[in-house]
Amino acid sequence: AQTVTQSQPEMSVQEAETVTLSCTYDTSESDYYLFWYKQPPSRQMILVIRQEAYKQQNATENRFSVNFQKAAKSFSLKISDSQLGDAAMYFCAYRETSGSRLTFGEGTQLTVNP
Amino acid sequence: GAGVSQSPRYKVAKRGQDVALRCDPISGHVSLFWYQQALGQGPEFLTYFQNEAQLDKSGLPSDRFFAERPEGSVSTLKIQRTQQEDSAVYLCASSRFSSSGTLQETQYFGPGTRLLVL
Repeated sequence: AQTVTQSQPEMSVQEAETVTLSCTYDTSESDYYLFWYKQPPSRQMILVIRQEAYKQQNATENRFSVNFQKAAKSFSLKISDSQLGDAAMYFCAYRETSGSRLTFGEGTQLTVNP
Repeated sequence: GAGVSQSPRYKVAKRGQDVALRCDPISGHVSLFWYQQALGQGPEFLTYFQNEAQLDKSGLPSDRFFAERPEGSVSTLKIQRTQQEDSAVYLCASSRFSSSGTLQETQYFGPGTRLLVL
């Protein structure tokens, strides 16, 4: 079974600084999708960024970018110019290409200090 | 139009009671998912519908859990004889396409129903 591991239960960053959240996963599949979701206290899960495993180029969405290392099965999220509104729980998630369900990690609680 | 909506937002039940949680997906979305999120943990998959067909229910923790989507739109997750371990947030998500492998199949989540079983 696929597993997703986030080894940092909590992270903090100063406003305007850069922070990197770590994620590793285990799978025997060669093609799959990876996601980062953000869950603020309101609990609405919001997609931040997504990556197709067959693409070597790292995905970027404005201040958010990923470092996808397929051989190492690593998928970290970098947040640049951190803002107070970035404070939330961040979840890394995996989905098989032919599958439907998302498999989530345990989450990383990000605090942004003014 | 609007995003995924869920009701009620909060539910307190006495142990042994039956509860029904409702999910209204985004209009036209084919796929619908239920996840269970225990406190301090990531969501865990419960079940998946494609239109009215329940294609995967492997995540349902026991036969006390039942989900339906009779007309391929609104879905109800029913928990019979609730137990304290059922206390969690129940998240519903929908996506536009079926599980055909397209990256555009982003799952859009609702705000969740927080269930507390006393």
